Amino acid sequence: NAGVTQTPKFQVLKTGQSMTLQCAQDMNHEYMSWYRQDPGMGLRLIHYSVGAGITDQGEVPNGYNVSRSTTEDFPLRLLSAAPSQTSVYFCASSNPGQNTEAFFGQGTRLTVV
Amino acid sequence: AQRVTQPEKLLSVFKGAPVELKCNYSYSGSPELFWYVQYSRQRLQLLLRHISRESIKGFTADLNKGETSFHLKKPFAQEEDSAMYYCALLYGSSNTGKLIFGQGTTLQVKP
Repeated sequence: NAGVTQTPKFQVLKTGQSMTLQCAQDMNHEYMSWYRQDPGMGLRLIHYSVGAGITDQGEVPNGYNVSRSTTEDFPLRLLSAAPSQTSVYFCASSNPGQNTEAFFGQGTRLTVV
Repeated sequence: AQRVTQPEKLLSVFKGAPVELKCNYSYSGSPELFWYVQYSRQRLQLLLRHISRESIKGFTADLNKGETSFHLKKPFAQEEDSAMYYCALLYGSSNTGKLIFGQGTTLQVKP
């Protein structure tokens, strides 16, 4: 049972490069989200999706794009990487309902130099 | 605006000592609160949700709406409890899955 799978686990980028962080879930969850984890700041929501074809911005969306063409996949694109985007990125999925549990991927550690 | 605050970055206790990790929230609606835990080299996972009023791994958390708090407690800490703990609030209605997290507290249980 894979749950939420993120690739890659580690990545180093040069300033200005672009890349896509992949996220896939096999639990048929409707909701998917991307968070970034920074020391002393907890996890902050970047973008989220409530279903295929529907996405919206979270707390810190600038510099990131997302799309949701299928229920399973929710890639996060960095268009032009900046050192401020050095962080650990987590993808999560869940289903609608009160007090529903979110399931997280193992994280992607990104360094922008 | 909604907010979750965990005032302690690090909490260090000896094995067998009681533990209380503090969490305060600010939210205009009816709060749905969780504790998530991240053990070393593992992914973030759910520990507790307030609606369940359950005890998981000896941990409990009670929602106090008057004090807007959701503190996590355990009477006798174990070394395997050492981890990063996040308090989280589900906001924007249950129809979005959006979570706002506190800053996190690292619990270190010494032998």
